[in-house]
Amino acid sequence: AQTVTQSQPEMSVQEAETVTLSCTYDTSENNYYLFWYKQPPSRQMILVIRQEAYKQQNATENRFSVNFQKAAKSFSLKISDSQLGDTAMYFCAITGTASKLTFGTGTRLQVTL
Amino acid sequence: GAGVSQSPRYKVAKRGQDVALRCDPISGHVSLFWYQQALGQGPEFLTYFQNEAQLDKSGLPSDRFFAERPEGSVSTLKIQRTQQEDSAVYLCASSQTTGRSSYNSPLHFGNGTRLTVT
Repeated sequence: AQTVTQSQPEMSVQEAETVTLSCTYDTSENNYYLFWYKQPPSRQMILVIRQEAYKQQNATENRFSVNFQKAAKSFSLKISDSQLGDTAMYFCAITGTASKLTFGTGTRLQVTL
Repeated sequence: GAGVSQSPRYKVAKRGQDVALRCDPISGHVSLFWYQQALGQGPEFLTYFQNEAQLDKSGLPSDRFFAERPEGSVSTLKIQRTQQEDSAVYLCASSQTTGRSSYNSPLHFGNGTRLTVT
């Protein structure tokens, strides 16, 4: 079984500032993949960034980057130069040999002026 | 269409009614998933299809839930004798490939159907 824990129900950041969202996970599998998804009010889940567990290098996608600590089973998301459009729910997720994703409970991010 | 389409967008059902939720995946996508998202929670896996074959239905919460994808494209999630605890957003997602290779062909989600059981 796989579990994902997001301990920050809500976060707030000012526009242009940097914010880090936390995620820890547990899995018995050696090969797995980690994801961050964004869910705006439209409800559509949008992939933000992904990381292969066997790659030590942290993934980056423009303003989004991760800090993947495999031994600690930690996978945090850093958003740089926050924009108003980043306001949304953010979900951390994991998948292993099965195709299905296991999601955390989410962090609501509010970007303010 | 360009994305995953789900209908209806909103559904209100009286307790005990049957409902059917539709998902039109992206054309040519092999894999199709259904997730249930309760208010304030993350999505939870319900079932997975590879073409028309239902390979995993371990997440279906009871035998009142039934999903099908008879021709390997459109899928329907049916809930019989709805209960209040069935109130949630039901998300459908599709991807081009199967298994772990879905990492390289990420899931595309629809906008979901919000089901409210009164």
